[in-house]
Amino acid sequence: AQSVTQLDSHVSVSEGTPVLLRCNYSSSYSPSLFWYVQHPNKGLQLLLKYTSAATLVKGINGFEAEFKKSETSFHLTKPSAHMSDAAEYFCVVRDNTGGFKTIFGAGTRLFVKA
Amino acid sequence: GAGVSQSPSNKVTEKGKDVELRCDPISGHTALYWYRQRLGQGLEFLIYFQGNSAPDKSGLPSDRFSAERTGESVSTLTIQRTQQEDSAVYLCASSALGGADTQYFGPGTRLTVL
Repeated sequence: AQSVTQLDSHVSVSEGTPVLLRCNYSSSYSPSLFWYVQHPNKGLQLLLKYTSAATLVKGINGFEAEFKKSETSFHLTKPSAHMSDAAEYFCVVRDNTGGFKTIFGAGTRLFVKA
Repeated sequence: GAGVSQSPSNKVTEKGKDVELRCDPISGHTALYWYRQRLGQGLEFLIYFQGNSAPDKSGLPSDRFSAERTGESVSTLTIQRTQQEDSAVYLCASSALGGADTQYFGPGTRLTVL
């Protein structure tokens, strides 16, 4: 069975400092992993995805994530936070064995202080 | 073409009434998903359509929930005899293919059951 755990419900950083949003997953099979962002009153937008190619995945807006199979983690990072990064972030797992279910984490709300 | 659209954007109904939510996917997308997002929570998978295959209904929470899709176009999610716990934002997403293909989300329908 698949599951995804976002370890922090809220993260607060100062503008210009690094961002780390943590995600651990479990999957019986080789998964695909995604990060989505949801800004207030806006739709969900894909940041990046891992599909068994390079383990370090670069996404939009300077975000990247590293797939670590040994740690079953897919943490999202950004070297320098911007005020516009304040949003809700969702880590997502989907197995690739023909099942269709996509599992979303509970979300991490990122606050960016000036 | 245009992105995923959903209607209505907001729906207020009384307990016990039936509601129908509509999703227009991106033209040419074969896969369509419905999710529910309760206030302050992550997305719950409800149902998945892929081409002419039988839908994956494993996420539907009760038999009051049903969904249909006409070919590879419009989908409707129907909730019968609504309950207060059905109050949530219902999100639709489509992707060009199934599997790990990127899902594009609509703006959602906010359902409030009084």
